[in-house]
Amino acid sequence: ETGVTQTPRHLVMGMTNKKSLKCEQHLGHNAMYWYKQSAKKPLELMFVYNFKEQTENNSVPSRFSPECPNSSHLFLHLHTLQPEDSALYLCASSLVGGNEQFFGPGTRLTVL
Amino acid sequence: DQQVKQNSPSLSVQEGRISILNCDYTNSMFDYFLWYKKYPAEGPTFLISISSIKDKNEDGRFTVFLNKSAKHLSLHIVPSQPGDSAVYFCAASEGGSNFGNEKLTFGTGTRLTIIP
Repeated sequence: ETGVTQTPRHLVMGMTNKKSLKCEQHLGHNAMYWYKQSAKKPLELMFVYNFKEQTENNSVPSRFSPECPNSSHLFLHLHTLQPEDSALYLCASSLVGGNEQFFGPGTRLTVL
Repeated sequence: DQQVKQNSPSLSVQEGRISILNCDYTNSMFDYFLWYKKYPAEGPTFLISISSIKDKNEDGRFTVFLNKSAKHLSLHIVPSQPGDSAVYFCAASEGGSNFGNEKLTFGTGTRLTIIP
């Protein structure tokens, strides 16, 4: 595997479900990010991790819970989501202090 | 309040001609600008960037121009090829410490279609 991978690519869940999104980077980076892309809106930064430590939480509701066990892996745990949370969730990685972020293919999430 | 704006949601250009994608920003603290390209079912991929100390950066068929006084940047693709058909996102960051992450603020994207 190369670059940034994300699983699953598509996810449909009910409002009472608990699910997790997974991201893995194979680039030797030390910073990882979660973004949300809704239709007709710009990418919105959700969380940033530097060296496994969360450095940014962009006012994200607590029904989204990130986890970064090491510099290569990032998870987004989902619980009691709302239909308006349906979106494309993108993971990215970079070197700390680097401007250029490398993105995964995203997980298309639909909340029923 | 959108700090990075791409006012053209779509653009169609004949193959071989020049494609010009535009981006405006409002935050005068932005000092680094990037263009990303996105194909359907894939994540955005980094294309080209420019620091605010420059007004032009060129990489093959891609050139980015920065006009700081107008808070405007543009991406030129010449000659345009069918494989360039994608959504192009402009992004900007405030720079700052070498120890922190560069938070990227994105525009909404422009869908470029190259007509064979």
